Amino acid sequence: GENVEQHPSTLSVQEGDSAVIKCTYSDSASNYFPWYKQELGKRPQLIIDIRSNVGEKKDQRIAVTLNKTAKHFSLHITETQPEDSAVYFCAANPGRRALTFGSGTRLQVQP
Amino acid sequence: ETGVTQTPRHLVMGMTNKKSLKCEQHLGHNAMYWYKQSAKKPLELMFVYSLEERVENNSVPSRFSPECPNSSHLFLHLHTLQPEDSALYLCASSQEGGEGYTFGSGTRLTVV
Repeated sequence: GENVEQHPSTLSVQEGDSAVIKCTYSDSASNYFPWYKQELGKRPQLIIDIRSNVGEKKDQRIAVTLNKTAKHFSLHITETQPEDSAVYFCAANPGRRALTFGSGTRLQVQP
Repeated sequence: ETGVTQTPRHLVMGMTNKKSLKCEQHLGHNAMYWYKQSAKKPLELMFVYSLEERVENNSVPSRFSPECPNSSHLFLHLHTLQPEDSALYLCASSQEGGEGYTFGSGTRLTVV
């Protein structure tokens, strides 16, 4: 089955710095790669996604890059703010069906 | 409201009880899922229903029994659970292929 590896498991940055979270996947049939943000006590919410026919996508301070050859994709958050503190999950859709999630990255932005 | 509603929000049950979790989606999606979230395995897929037909069961113990009567409703029937089954159970829905995945608020289950 699909295996989605996510690193790092925890990340602490100073406010205003950038944060990068990386994921790798194993199933070359995967064609959809979303990122979710989960705040404490709340449901995971989609923040950005990318499809396999695109190499990069940006939405304000958030960007995602995809390298299909290497089977890895990354989330980049610039100018981090305290409200960016949360757990972030990457995901892929092996066999183009249900999402398989990474193990999560706890991001803490220090004011 | 995101369009995916789960009830109850919290549930405490004994190991001999029988209870059910309910999920309802109003997004017109044709696939629904159950996930288990715990400290050990952050988002673990349990069941997948596509067009009301179960298409995947990730080796989940038989004490968990899903039911999908139509494309808008999904249930998870629980019986003779173990304390290690205590976790947050999340329902999600999407279009085919996983796009537009939307989660419900989850049911925090405690087995005593």
